[in-house]
Amino acid sequence: AQSVTQLDSQVPVFEEAPVELRCNYSSSVSVYLFWYVQYPNQGLQLLLKYLSGSTLVKGINGFEAEFNKSQTSFHLRKPSVHISDTAEYFCAVSEGSNDYKLSFGAGTTVTVRA
Amino acid sequence: NAGVTQTPKFRVLKTGQSMTLLCAQDMNHEYMYWYRQDPGMGLRLIHYSVGEGTTAKGEVPDGYNVSRLKKQNFLLGLESAAPSQTSVYFCASTTAGGYTFGSGTRLTVV
Repeated sequence: AQSVTQLDSQVPVFEEAPVELRCNYSSSVSVYLFWYVQYPNQGLQLLLKYLSGSTLVKGINGFEAEFNKSQTSFHLRKPSVHISDTAEYFCAVSEGSNDYKLSFGAGTTVTVRA
Repeated sequence: NAGVTQTPKFRVLKTGQSMTLLCAQDMNHEYMYWYRQDPGMGLRLIHYSVGEGTTAKGEVPDGYNVSRLKKQNFLLGLESAAPSQTSVYFCASTTAGGYTFGSGTRLTVV
């Protein structure tokens, strides 16, 4: 079964500082990769996705992620965070050969402080 | 607006009661999924369907049943609710790579 590991459960960061959220997955086949954000008491919002092509993916709200096939990683970055980026972030992976089931990491809570 | 609609949004059940959660999508997606979200565990797959009339077990299927009689609807049933089923439930659909999630159902079993 697919395994997704988010290496940090909590990431405190100061406003306007950069942030990186790390995600590793276990798969030897072609995968689709996603980052979702969840604000308190809300649903999931797609930040960005990698399906194929360029390994550097740009998403909404200034976020970007880089797919590294050799390290099976898909780390999320933002060069300068805002208070409004305080949320929980989920990395997810699916395999087309596995009924497109999405496997999620446990989540990383980002708290942005002034 | 096109998307995934979940009903109800909130529900409180007593232990042993039954209920059905409804997921409806209007995007003609073949694949549909039910997830539960618990603190510190991300989203875990309960059951899923690859097309009308099909269902399959996910990671945590015990205590749940599903049906997909129509392509646009995917029902999740709890026959005898337990406190361990207190969670937020999300439905999702896809047509290979583009996932749409519902807004969630917050279920509390007391």
